Amino acid sequence: AQSVTQLDSHVSVSEGTPVLLRCNYSSSYSPSLFWYVQHPNKGLQLLLKYTSAATLVKGINGFEAEFKKSETSFHLTKPSAHMSDAAEYFCVVIPRGTGFQKLVFGTGTRLLVSP
Amino acid sequence: NAGVMQNPRHLVRRRGQEARLRCSPMKGHSHVYWYRQLPEEGLKFMVYLQKENIIDESGMPKERFSAEFPKEGPSILRIQQVVRGDSAAYFCASSPETGVSSPLHFGNGTRLTVT
Repeated sequence: AQSVTQLDSHVSVSEGTPVLLRCNYSSSYSPSLFWYVQHPNKGLQLLLKYTSAATLVKGINGFEAEFKKSETSFHLTKPSAHMSDAAEYFCVVIPRGTGFQKLVFGTGTRLLVSP
Repeated sequence: NAGVMQNPRHLVRRRGQEARLRCSPMKGHSHVYWYRQLPEEGLKFMVYLQKENIIDESGMPKERFSAEFPKEGPSILRIQQVVRGDSAAYFCASSPETGVSSPLHFGNGTRLTVT
């Protein structure tokens, strides 16, 4: 079954420094991949999605992710962290052939941003 | 344009009681999904419904859990005879159509605590 692995449970950065949240997927073919963000006691918000078009995907709030087939990775980056970026981030895959939004979530990475 | 509305936000039940969670999708959305988030975990798919039909319930526990999405009114997730292990955040999401490209909008969740 297709899955995603988020390599870090917590990432701490200082405000203004780059953010890197790592995600690897398991699949023998290009899946549909997403990054979602969850702020405390809130629902999830879609940051960006990859659906086999451009490998560099730009999302909201300055985030972007690059699909690298050779590394089976879909890491999330942002050049400069803001305090409001502190949240839980989920890498998500929709298994091929599902036909609907049956999302498979990673275990999440909590991003901490210090002043 | 109101988003996905879930109520109640917090629900406390004693073991053995019933829990009813409600979800009103966004206006014009006829596809509803329920996901469960156990503490310190990512979300897990439970069920996918269209108006008056259950399309996929492969993530629902076989016993005590049921879901409906009637022609009129909100979608309901019902848990009978709750146990401590049912304590979790339950998220509803809706979309205007099926397909992996259709935007998915999440509610803020219902946090169920079983005492």
